[in-house]
Amino acid sequence: DAGVIQSPRHEVTEMGQEVTLRCKPISGHDYLFWYRQTMMRGLELLIYFNNNVPIDDSGMPEDRFSAKMPNASFSTLKIQPSEPRDSAVYFCASRPGGRSEQYFGPGTRLTVT
Amino acid sequence: SQQGEEDPQALSIQEGENATMNCSYKTSINNLQWYRQNSGRGLVHLILIRSNEREKHSGRLRVTLDTSKKSSSLLITASRAADTASYFCATDAENNNDMRFGAGTRLTVKP
Repeated sequence: DAGVIQSPRHEVTEMGQEVTLRCKPISGHDYLFWYRQTMMRGLELLIYFNNNVPIDDSGMPEDRFSAKMPNASFSTLKIQPSEPRDSAVYFCASRPGGRSEQYFGPGTRLTVT
Repeated sequence: SQQGEEDPQALSIQEGENATMNCSYKTSINNLQWYRQNSGRGLVHLILIRSNEREKHSGRLRVTLDTSKKSSSLLITASRAADTASYFCATDAENNNDMRFGAGTRLTVKP
């Protein structure tokens, strides 16, 4: 298996632009998680899905952030409009039901200027 | 919000020495996990210890868990330069399907 796939790996955009981050979880994994990592705040859970249904989005910082999972093999995290404080590394992770270990993607490094 | 808190924040040792990192958490847990993150990469799962276990080994890794003190430790024996990374503890709380990570310990192993 290729593992969790994220794209793009790097994104540089200007303030006010829309940003869409993409994730393909490991096949057969029922849970998908979106995290944000910064030096100041560490690794924060933004939202997670179970069987494509959002379960807990309490970590989503603002209405500018939205996440979808239209099917079991694809999820997006969208920021509209983006702001410089959104600059961070965004990770997607997945795990199978009944297991606790999460498998992380390589991350997307977002820079908003 | 973060659940686990690692200590120390940074640790620098010589190759061959042992490295010990600690983690404290706040609520009751189902299990506790340790992850490693190399610079610029995603986190990689190392080891999981359940709430009814006190110690677990995996290769050069030894994890202990004290639920009465809500703390865990990760020991890496005979460290290597390749062990240089950040190490995170994560707790899987009861009645919860998500996981909370600590701030991590940055380990540097000097050759």
